[in-house]
Amino acid sequence: DQQVKQNSPSLSVQEGRISILNCDYTNSMFDYFLWYKKYPAEGPTFLISISSIKDKNEDGRFTVFLNKSAKHLSLHIVPSQPGDSAVYFCAATSKLTFGTGTRLQVTL
Amino acid sequence: DAGVIQSPRHEVTEMGQEVTLRCKPISGHDYLFWYRQTMMRGLELLIYFNNNVPIDDSGMPEDRFSAKMPNASFSTLKIQPSEPRDSAVYFCASSLHGVNSPLHFGNGTRLTVT
Repeated sequence: DQQVKQNSPSLSVQEGRISILNCDYTNSMFDYFLWYKKYPAEGPTFLISISSIKDKNEDGRFTVFLNKSAKHLSLHIVPSQPGDSAVYFCAATSKLTFGTGTRLQVTL
Repeated sequence: DAGVIQSPRHEVTEMGQEVTLRCKPISGHDYLFWYRQTMMRGLELLIYFNNNVPIDDSGMPEDRFSAKMPNASFSTLKIQPSEPRDSAVYFCASSLHGVNSPLHFGNGTRLTVT
């Protein structure tokens, strides 16, 4: 049973535009959420996190939004750059459960 | 820092053989995690250790899988006997503060069981 779901397996966005990646979870006990980025043949790397006491966290071009009532979080990348092309995973505690990932392609 | 180091990068073996995957965590990180990535299930947590002690092994698929951490700088994941359905990428990760802090992943071991 997938407790963390990323329903869009892929997303294509033009360079300079906003990329929005979505993630839904089912366990209301999750209190810490993270986004990871993964390039081919490498391990995932940490991108940004958010605690359940917040509804927004920003780090440069990356912003994560958390909607606890909807059990939904999203990652916004503005502006998108070709180097952002990768697979993005959302993850949630308590056991760092990962979603299946969304492949983002940023086109020129 | 060299980061989390996993070996080998690729492993091809025949069904029934024993496979051992190795991991060296980042020095000073007290938590070590083993994950498996497949297309169907994404990244699944298999087991994690704190200070070399297994804390949660509920993700280990079955008795054919075992993991050890004999010291703070080394861990192994063993599959015996291996089966074709074990084919996946296996990641090791470490962290300073456990599940409520970012994990640092190695580059993974791609296992193919024929």
